[in-house]
Amino acid sequence: EDKVVQSPLSLVVHEGDTVTLNCSYEVTNFRSLLWYKQEKKAPTFLFMLTSSGIEKKSGRLSSILDKKELFSILNITATQTGDSAVYLCAVKNSNTGNQFYFGTGTSLTVIP
Amino acid sequence: GAGVSQSPRYKVTKRGQDVALRCDPISGHVSLYWYRQALGQGPEFLTYFNYEAQQDKSGLPNDRFSAERPEGSISTLTIQRTEQRDSAMYRCASSLGRQLEAFFGQGTRLTVV
Repeated sequence: EDKVVQSPLSLVVHEGDTVTLNCSYEVTNFRSLLWYKQEKKAPTFLFMLTSSGIEKKSGRLSSILDKKELFSILNITATQTGDSAVYLCAVKNSNTGNQFYFGTGTSLTVIP
Repeated sequence: GAGVSQSPRYKVTKRGQDVALRCDPISGHVSLYWYRQALGQGPEFLTYFNYEAQQDKSGLPNDRFSAERPEGSISTLTIQRTEQRDSAMYRCASSLGRQLEAFFGQGTRLTVV
C-alpha cells in the first residue's frame, strides 16, 4: 500500500533556528514528490522534486530528494514567525498518476 | 481566475440533507482533484477529472458521493443524505497537467449536525 510518513509530527523552535522536516515514502512507480505549506488558507505549493540529489531552493527554504533511500527533506533556515504552518508532503506515482498521496504533515511553530 | 475558488467557504447542514460543493479551477487547468481533509490529517483523495472526464473516483467513500465537471471547467461535488461523519474540509485542486503540481483552493468546511 502506498504511504507517506512525515516526521516530526510537530516542532516548536525559536526565531532564527534552522529546521529540517522529513518525508519518507513507499510508492510504487514513483513519479514526483511535492511540498506544500498549509496555513489557515489553502495549501501553498512550495517545491516539486523528481530527480535525486538536485536541491531546489527558494529563499530560506530548500528541499532535496533521495530516490534510493525514499525520502525527502525540507530545510528552513533563519526561521521567522511567518514560517509557522503545517508542512505537507505529497507523492505521486506514475501508475495511475491521478492522485497525490499526502502525509499527515509536520506542524511547525516558530516563537519569537 | 487567479486561483482555485471554492464555494461556499462554510456549510452547515442537517443530517440527511444533500449538499453541493463548487470548485472553479484556475483557468486553463485541465486536471481537477477533489480531496477531503480531516482535522490534523493530510488531504485524502476523492476523485480526479481530466477535462470533463472523471478518470478516477476510487477515493469516493460510498455512493452518496458524486462529482461532475460537465464542461471541463467548474466542478461540483455532491453529497447526498449527509451524515455526521461527512463533516470535514473539502478541498479542490487543479493543475495544468496530470504530472504537474496542483494548486489548492481554500476549501469548503462542511459541518453536518
